[in-house]
Amino acid sequence: KAGVTQTPRYLIKTRGQQVTLSCSPISGHRSVSWYQQTPGQGLQFLFEYFSETQRNKGNFPGRFSGRQFSNSRSEMNVSTLELGDSALYLCASTRTGENSPLHFGNGTRLTVT
Amino acid sequence: QKEVEQDPGPLGVPEGAIVSLNCTYSNSAFQYFMWYRQYSRKGPELLMYTYSSGNKEDGRFTAQVDKSSKYISLFIRDSQPSDSATYLCAMSADTGGFKTIFGAGTRLFVKA
Repeated sequence: KAGVTQTPRYLIKTRGQQVTLSCSPISGHRSVSWYQQTPGQGLQFLFEYFSETQRNKGNFPGRFSGRQFSNSRSEMNVSTLELGDSALYLCASTRTGENSPLHFGNGTRLTVT
Repeated sequence: QKEVEQDPGPLGVPEGAIVSLNCTYSNSAFQYFMWYRQYSRKGPELLMYTYSSGNKEDGRFTAQVDKSSKYISLFIRDSQPSDSATYLCAMSADTGGFKTIFGAGTRLFVKA
């Protein structure tokens, strides 16, 4: 069974640009969550989607947005990039119901210069 | 105070040692407890998943949850150099991975 797939693996962008990251969940998983990981802050929750609807949002500015498509694939977008947005962005998927922990992809490493 | 506290280490042990990794938490609503292992340049990989208090064993790994003390542990027996990684504890109040909160992660080095 294929795992969570994130593309691209690496990105280098300039301040002020925008970026779109993609995530394909495990087959049959309908919930997708996004996390930002930095050495100083650890894993911080960005948002969660289920059935194309954002169910929860973390404490991030409006420059961070996301969406989910009918096939459960998800994208997140960061506009007007800042140096502090440099991080590993992780996508995780889960089944709904009991005994459903998060399963992560290998992330997209974003560097903002 | 963070909801989940975890010593970032680094923790260095000789090969074959028993490793003990721990997390404390403040939210008594947490019911689901997880341990993830993360290698460099990789995403976190689920190691253990437990519900409520008690112990769970899987090979060389044992997870313990003490809800009365708000304390969880991961024990690694017969540690190997391949166990060298960052170990993240995680917990949530609801099933389905909803709003899972992570510890900072402990960097473990197992020396051959």
